[in-house]
Amino acid sequence: GAGVSQSPRYKVAKRGQDVALRCDPISGHVSLFWYQQALGQGPEFLTYFQNEAQLDKSGLPSDRFFAERPEGSVSTLKIQRTQQEDSAVYLCASRTQETQYFGPGTRLLVL
Amino acid sequence: SQKIEQNSEALNIQEGKTATLTCNYTNYSPAYLQWYRQDPGRGPVFLLLIRENEKEKRKERLKVTFDTTLKQSLFHITASQPADSATYLCALEGGGKLIFGQGTELSVKP
Repeated sequence: GAGVSQSPRYKVAKRGQDVALRCDPISGHVSLFWYQQALGQGPEFLTYFQNEAQLDKSGLPSDRFFAERPEGSVSTLKIQRTQQEDSAVYLCASRTQETQYFGPGTRLLVL
Repeated sequence: SQKIEQNSEALNIQEGKTATLTCNYTNYSPAYLQWYRQDPGRGPVFLLLIRENEKEKRKERLKVTFDTTLKQSLFHITASQPADSATYLCALEGGGKLIFGQGTELSVKP
């Protein structure tokens, strides 16, 4: 079926604004991951869901970052009171066995 | 602390040559290691997985080696083509999540 989709693809926010990033995983994939990728760097882990349970949120950089997956499918990453250092690409991935399938990412620019 | 390092500089090679990318890690004992390809503006795409008990794995023009004593993986693309130009990422799984290197940008010139 279709791959992982993310929306919006691009988001420009003013500093202090709240943003919500959406991820639609591959249908049937139980595991879902969020990563943050700075320019010229590899993706860095933010948080992990198995179905609706958030099993690991150790990578979330501050309490301004919040993720949910209430029905075990679509996930939303919310960033409150955005700061310039939040500017990055936010990648979502879903997993089957050991392979992770990534979406195209949301490029967030905070001005 | 745990660390994964890839060739820090971009790799430029001529079409038809073999590209070799390096991934070194410290303070990990991964059960397996993965390689991904990432094109500009896109998410990483899975290429190959190699387990700790495997020395080498091949897929078409790709070959990966894994030396758990040296804590190193080498990624080879033989008969390289301009279409192979991209950033290549190595990743270890730790606690269910992927831990990535910073990536190596490969450019294959015709």
